[in-house]
Amino acid sequence: QKEVEQDPGPLSVPEGAIVSLNCTYSNSAFQYFMWYRQYSRKGPELLMYTYSSGNKEDGRFTAQVDKSSKYISLFIRDSQPSDSATYLCAMSAPRGGKLTFGQGTILTVHP
Amino acid sequence: GAVVSQHPSWVICKSGTSVKIECRSLDFQATTMFWYRQFPKQSLMLMATSNEGSKATYEQGVEKDKFLINHASLTLSTLTVTSAHPEDSSFYICSAVTVENIYGYTFGSGTRLTVV
Repeated sequence: QKEVEQDPGPLSVPEGAIVSLNCTYSNSAFQYFMWYRQYSRKGPELLMYTYSSGNKEDGRFTAQVDKSSKYISLFIRDSQPSDSATYLCAMSAPRGGKLTFGQGTILTVHP
Repeated sequence: GAVVSQHPSWVICKSGTSVKIECRSLDFQATTMFWYRQFPKQSLMLMATSNEGSKATYEQGVEKDKFLINHASLTLSTLTVTSAHPEDSSFYICSAVTVENIYGYTFGSGTRLTVV
Protein backbone atom coordinates (compact mmCIF):
# COMPACT_ATOMS: atom_id res chain seq x y z
CA GLN A 1 0.00 0.00 0.00
CA LYS A 2 1.34 3.40 -0.96
CA GLU A 3 1.77 5.98 1.77
CA VAL A 4 -0.22 8.51 -0.24
CA GLU A 5 -3.07 7.58 -2.55
CA GLN A 6 -4.45 9.95 -5.17
CA ASP A 7 -6.90 9.19 -7.92
CA PRO A 8 -4.98 9.78 -11.16
CA GLY A 9 -8.14 10.62 -13.09
CA PRO A 10 -8.17 11.94 -15.73
CA LEU A 11 -10.78 14.46 -14.71
CA SER A 12 -12.57 16.54 -17.30
CA VAL A 13 -14.90 19.36 -16.32
CA PRO A 14 -16.57 22.31 -18.05
CA GLU A 15 -15.35 25.83 -17.43
CA GLY A 16 -16.87 27.30 -14.28
CA ALA A 17 -17.29 23.96 -12.53
CA ILE A 18 -16.14 23.24 -8.99
CA VAL A 19 -13.34 20.71 -8.96
CA SER A 20 -12.63 18.42 -6.03
CA LEU A 21 -9.29 16.66 -5.74
CA ASN A 22 -8.50 14.25 -2.95
CA CYS A 23 -5.70 12.32 -1.31
CA THR A 24 -5.61 9.82 1.48
CA TYR A 25 -2.55 8.86 3.46
CA SER A 26 -1.56 6.16 5.87
CA ASN A 27 1.40 7.65 7.72
CA SER A 28 0.15 9.52 10.79
CA ALA A 29 3.56 11.20 11.08
CA PHE A 30 2.71 13.49 8.16
CA GLN A 31 2.07 16.97 9.54
CA TYR A 32 2.56 19.31 6.57
CA PHE A 33 0.36 19.11 3.52
CA MET A 34 0.77 20.75 0.15
CA TRP A 35 -0.92 20.92 -3.19
CA TYR A 36 1.12 21.53 -6.30
CA ARG A 37 0.14 22.25 -9.87
CA GLN A 38 2.34 20.95 -12.63
CA TYR A 39 2.06 21.91 -16.27
CA SER A 40 3.47 19.58 -18.87
CA ARG A 41 7.27 19.45 -18.81
CA LYS A 42 7.52 22.00 -16.01
CA GLY A 43 8.41 21.83 -12.36
CA PRO A 44 5.61 21.78 -9.77
CA GLU A 45 4.39 25.09 -8.39
CA LEU A 46 2.97 25.41 -4.91
CA LEU A 47 -0.73 26.18 -4.67
CA MET A 48 -1.57 25.58 -1.03
CA TYR A 49 0.29 24.73 2.16
CA THR A 50 -1.41 23.67 5.39
CA TYR A 51 -0.36 22.05 8.61
CA SER A 52 -3.50 21.86 10.66
CA SER A 53 -6.87 20.24 10.26
CA GLY A 54 -9.52 22.47 8.80
CA ASN A 55 -9.92 24.66 5.76
CA LYS A 56 -7.60 27.20 4.20
CA GLU A 57 -8.74 29.45 1.41
CA ASP A 58 -6.72 31.37 -1.16
CA GLY A 59 -8.68 32.94 -3.99
CA ARG A 60 -10.42 30.21 -5.96
CA PHE A 61 -8.60 27.48 -4.07
CA THR A 62 -9.57 25.86 -0.78
CA ALA A 63 -7.47 23.23 0.92
CA GLN A 64 -9.04 20.96 3.47
CA VAL A 65 -7.24 18.67 5.90
CA ASP A 66 -8.82 16.03 8.11
CA LYS A 67 -6.05 14.44 10.12
CA SER A 68 -8.38 12.12 11.97
CA SER A 69 -9.44 10.55 8.68
CA LYS A 70 -6.04 11.02 7.03
CA TYR A 71 -7.69 12.77 4.14
CA ILE A 72 -6.91 16.00 2.32
CA SER A 73 -8.76 17.81 -0.42
CA LEU A 74 -8.30 20.69 -2.80
CA PHE A 75 -11.31 22.52 -4.18
CA ILE A 76 -11.09 24.77 -7.20
CA ARG A 77 -14.00 27.13 -7.73
CA ASP A 78 -14.93 28.70 -11.04
CA SER A 79 -12.45 26.50 -12.86
CA GLN A 80 -10.74 27.95 -15.91
CA PRO A 81 -9.12 26.32 -18.95
CA SER A 82 -5.80 27.62 -17.59
CA ASP A 83 -6.32 25.33 -14.58
CA SER A 84 -5.79 22.34 -16.88
CA ALA A 85 -2.74 20.63 -15.43
CA THR A 86 -1.67 17.80 -13.19
CA TYR A 87 -2.38 18.36 -9.51
CA LEU A 88 -0.17 16.68 -6.97
CA CYS A 89 -0.72 16.36 -3.27
CA ALA A 90 2.40 16.13 -1.15
CA MET A 91 3.13 15.78 2.51
CA SER A 92 6.03 15.66 4.91
CA ALA A 93 6.66 14.72 8.50
CA PRO A 94 9.18 17.30 9.68
CA ARG A 95 8.91 20.71 8.08
CA GLY A 96 11.45 20.81 5.29
CA GLY A 97 11.83 17.05 5.28
CA LYS A 98 11.42 14.90 2.23
CA LEU A 99 8.09 15.11 0.49
CA THR A 100 5.93 12.14 -0.34
CA PHE A 101 3.78 12.78 -3.38
CA GLY A 102 0.52 11.36 -4.54
CA GLN A 103 0.30 9.97 -8.06
CA GLY A 104 -1.14 13.21 -9.41
CA THR A 105 -4.55 13.92 -10.95
CA ILE A 106 -4.73 15.08 -14.56
CA LEU A 107 -7.35 17.82 -14.85
CA THR A 108 -8.77 19.23 -18.05
CA VAL A 109 -11.12 22.21 -17.97
CA HIS A 110 -12.80 22.64 -21.32
CA PRO A 111 -14.36 25.92 -22.49
CA GLY B 1 9.94 34.97 -4.17
CA ALA B 2 12.43 32.15 -4.01
CA VAL B 3 13.61 30.95 -7.40
CA VAL B 4 15.54 27.85 -8.36
CA SER B 5 17.17 27.91 -11.76
CA GLN B 6 17.66 24.49 -13.32
CA HIS B 7 19.79 23.87 -16.42
CA PRO B 8 19.68 22.55 -18.97
CA SER B 9 15.95 22.33 -19.59
CA TRP B 10 16.48 19.51 -22.01
CA VAL B 11 19.43 17.46 -23.17
CA ILE B 12 20.06 14.62 -25.58
CA CYS B 13 23.13 12.51 -25.09
CA LYS B 14 24.62 9.34 -26.47
CA SER B 15 24.55 6.13 -24.52
CA GLY B 16 27.64 5.77 -22.34
CA THR B 17 28.27 9.47 -21.87
CA SER B 18 27.71 11.53 -18.73
CA VAL B 19 25.36 14.45 -18.26
CA LYS B 20 25.42 17.12 -15.58
CA ILE B 21 22.31 18.95 -14.41
CA GLU B 22 22.63 22.10 -12.34
CA CYS B 23 20.28 23.70 -9.87
CA ARG B 24 20.99 27.14 -8.50
CA SER B 25 19.05 28.99 -5.85
CA LEU B 26 19.06 32.55 -7.11
CA ASP B 27 18.03 34.63 -4.14
CA PHE B 28 18.31 32.39 -1.13
CA GLN B 29 20.56 29.82 0.44
CA ALA B 30 19.40 26.24 -0.02
CA THR B 31 20.27 24.25 3.04
CA THR B 32 18.85 21.09 1.55
CA MET B 33 18.30 20.01 -2.04
CA PHE B 34 16.08 17.17 -3.15
CA TRP B 35 16.44 15.47 -6.52
CA TYR B 36 13.47 13.78 -8.16
CA ARG B 37 12.85 11.72 -11.22
CA GLN B 38 9.53 11.68 -13.05
CA PHE B 39 8.39 9.35 -15.80
CA PRO B 40 5.57 10.37 -18.17
CA LYS B 41 2.21 10.58 -16.45
CA GLN B 42 3.71 9.47 -13.19
CA SER B 43 4.44 11.25 -9.96
CA LEU B 44 7.76 12.52 -8.65
CA MET B 45 10.03 9.88 -7.25
CA LEU B 46 12.62 11.07 -4.75
CA MET B 47 16.11 10.00 -5.72
CA ALA B 48 18.27 11.63 -3.09
CA THR B 49 18.57 14.33 -0.48
CA SER B 50 21.67 16.49 -0.21
CA ASN B 51 22.78 18.94 2.41
CA GLU B 52 25.40 21.53 1.71
CA GLY B 53 28.87 20.25 2.43
CA SER B 54 27.92 16.65 3.13
CA LYS B 55 27.31 13.48 1.16
CA ALA B 56 23.92 12.91 -0.36
CA THR B 57 21.49 10.41 1.08
CA TYR B 58 20.08 8.17 -1.61
CA GLU B 59 16.70 6.48 -1.62
CA GLN B 60 16.53 2.73 -1.74
CA GLY B 61 17.12 1.40 -5.22
CA VAL B 62 18.91 4.50 -6.52
CA GLU B 63 22.47 3.80 -7.63
CA LYS B 64 24.73 6.34 -5.96
CA ASP B 65 27.58 5.62 -8.35
CA LYS B 66 25.37 6.30 -11.31
CA PHE B 67 23.65 9.41 -10.04
CA LEU B 68 26.34 11.60 -8.52
CA ILE B 69 25.09 14.50 -6.46
CA ASN B 70 27.24 17.38 -5.36
CA HIS B 71 26.03 20.16 -3.09
CA ALA B 72 29.23 22.11 -2.67
CA SER B 73 27.66 25.45 -1.83
CA LEU B 74 24.43 26.83 -0.44
CA THR B 75 23.40 28.03 -3.88
CA LEU B 76 24.44 25.22 -6.19
CA SER B 77 23.70 21.51 -6.41
CA THR B 78 24.46 19.25 -9.34
CA LEU B 79 23.26 15.85 -10.46
CA THR B 80 25.53 13.93 -12.82
CA VAL B 81 24.12 10.93 -14.64
CA THR B 82 27.16 8.81 -15.40
CA SER B 83 27.40 6.31 -18.24
CA ALA B 84 23.87 7.12 -19.26
CA HIS B 85 21.66 4.50 -20.88
CA PRO B 86 18.30 4.81 -22.62
CA GLU B 87 16.50 3.67 -19.46
CA ASP B 88 17.86 6.77 -17.71
CA SER B 89 15.78 8.92 -20.04
CA SER B 90 13.40 10.81 -17.79
CA PHE B 91 12.43 14.19 -16.38
CA TYR B 92 14.68 15.25 -13.51
CA ILE B 93 13.61 17.94 -11.05
CA CYS B 94 15.38 19.56 -8.14
CA SER B 95 13.78 21.14 -5.10
CA ALA B 96 15.49 23.46 -2.67
CA VAL B 97 14.69 24.00 0.96
CA THR B 98 15.62 27.02 3.00
CA VAL B 99 14.92 27.79 6.60
CA GLU B 100 13.95 31.27 5.45
CA ASN B 101 10.93 29.96 3.59
CA ILE B 102 8.35 28.48 5.91
CA TYR B 103 6.69 26.85 2.97
CA GLY B 104 9.91 24.99 2.51
CA TYR B 105 10.17 23.87 -1.03
CA THR B 106 11.02 25.62 -4.26
CA PHE B 107 11.19 23.51 -7.39
CA GLY B 108 13.32 23.93 -10.46
CA SER B 109 11.73 23.85 -13.88
CA GLY B 110 13.03 20.37 -14.64
CA THR B 111 15.42 18.78 -17.13
CA ARG B 112 14.27 16.39 -19.79
CA LEU B 113 17.02 13.88 -20.49
CA THR B 114 16.92 11.69 -23.56
CA VAL B 115 19.61 9.07 -23.99
CA VAL B 116 19.99 7.70 -27.51
